[in-house]
Amino acid sequence: DQQVKQNSPSLSVQEGRISILNCDYTNSMFDYFLWYKKYPAEGPTFLISISSIKDKNEDGRFTVFLNKSAKHLSLHIVPSQPGDSAVYFCAAAYSGAGSYQLTFGKGTKLSVIP
Amino acid sequence: DVKVTQSSRYLVKRTGEKVFLECVQDMDHENMFWYRQDPGLGLRLIYFSYDVKMKEKGDIPEGYSVSREKKERFSLILESASTNQTSMYLCASSSQRGGGGYTFGSGTRLTVV
Repeated sequence: DQQVKQNSPSLSVQEGRISILNCDYTNSMFDYFLWYKKYPAEGPTFLISISSIKDKNEDGRFTVFLNKSAKHLSLHIVPSQPGDSAVYFCAAAYSGAGSYQLTFGKGTKLSVIP
Repeated sequence: DVKVTQSSRYLVKRTGEKVFLECVQDMDHENMFWYRQDPGLGLRLIYFSYDVKMKEKGDIPEGYSVSREKKERFSLILESASTNQTSMYLCASSSQRGGGGYTFGSGTRLTVV
């Protein structure tokens, strides 16, 4: 049973516009959420995170929103650039567990069209 | 610059061969993980380790084993490689003190022919 779901396998956006990537989770114990970005033939790299005590975290062009009641988070990229084209993975963790383990979604492939 | 280093970027092996994938981290992290990534299936956890000489099965351990003799090194072993093990293999590490996430290696693209 998938505890972290990214229901859109792919997304295409025009350069300069907003990209919105969505993620849903089912485990209410999750209290820390992260987004990773992955280029082909490279390992994923950390992008941005949010703790469940917040509903928004911003870092430059990237903003993550968390709606705990809906068990939903989203990553906004504004403005989108061609270099943002990659696979984005949503991940969640329960920080209270002694051993810190991330649960990943299946990823969304973002294509930013020049 | 902290790192997770995977010994090979690309490997081609024959069916039935024993394959070793090596991963070394320099961050003194307690936790280490092996994933494989396949199109449409995302990142699937094969094995993980929270301490030296300790290992736990992940979601898809069949056909794999691991070894962690030293804190900084976590090896993935394909006992008898098969074509369905052709994949991108990713090693990651994290601190047991929590916070932050995983640091991933660059990956090993394994092709079994």
